[in-house]
Amino acid sequence: QQQVKQSPQSLIVQKGGISIINCAYENTAFDYFPWYQQFPGKGPALLIAIRPDVSEKKEGRFTISFNKSAKQFSLHIMDSQPGDSATYFCAARGGGNKLTFGTGTQLKVEL
Amino acid sequence: EAGVTQFPSHSVIEKGQTVTLRCDPISGHDNLYWYRRVMGKEIKFLLHFVKESKQDESGMPNNRFLAERTGGTYSTLKVQPAELEDSGVYFCASSQEGLPLLSGANVLTFGAGSRLTVL
Repeated sequence: QQQVKQSPQSLIVQKGGISIINCAYENTAFDYFPWYQQFPGKGPALLIAIRPDVSEKKEGRFTISFNKSAKQFSLHIMDSQPGDSATYFCAARGGGNKLTFGTGTQLKVEL
Repeated sequence: EAGVTQFPSHSVIEKGQTVTLRCDPISGHDNLYWYRRVMGKEIKFLLHFVKESKQDESGMPNNRFLAERTGGTYSTLKVQPAELEDSGVYFCASSQEGLPLLSGANVLTFGAGSRLTVL
């Protein structure tokens, strides 16, 4: 049973375009929703995170949109750059700082 | 500040053999987590240590997996005997808790992972 569903599995975006990755969750007890970015050969690194009482959080070119009633959240990457090419994981935090991850999205930003 | 260190980075073993993975968390982080990603799937929680104590081991697949954290510093994850389905990338993460949510300090910091291939 997958508690956090992530889509798409892969995404190709042109340089300067907007990358959008979506996640949906079931467990209403989740209290924190981070996004992790992983480059090849590296571990996942925290990119941006949001609490469920906030509908949007923006950090530079990265924005999380959160819809509590729909139990959905998404990552928007504005002005996507080739250096943004990586695997992105959404996650949701349950008790004990335990994270439940989505399956990941491989983003490729082409010139 | 040194990050979370894991080794080996890659291990290839035969089915039935034993492998031990090691994780050195960030110094001062009492919380240590093991996660695993089987190819193409989600990163799944295995277990959580607080210092040397197992706080939550609900994600451990079966009794072929043994995790230890003697002295509350580094941790090892032993797989014995290894099966084909154990192949994947094993991530270790650590965090410092007791701080406000989203302060940044209690966020999980992951190591680069240990890739296990069982043939």
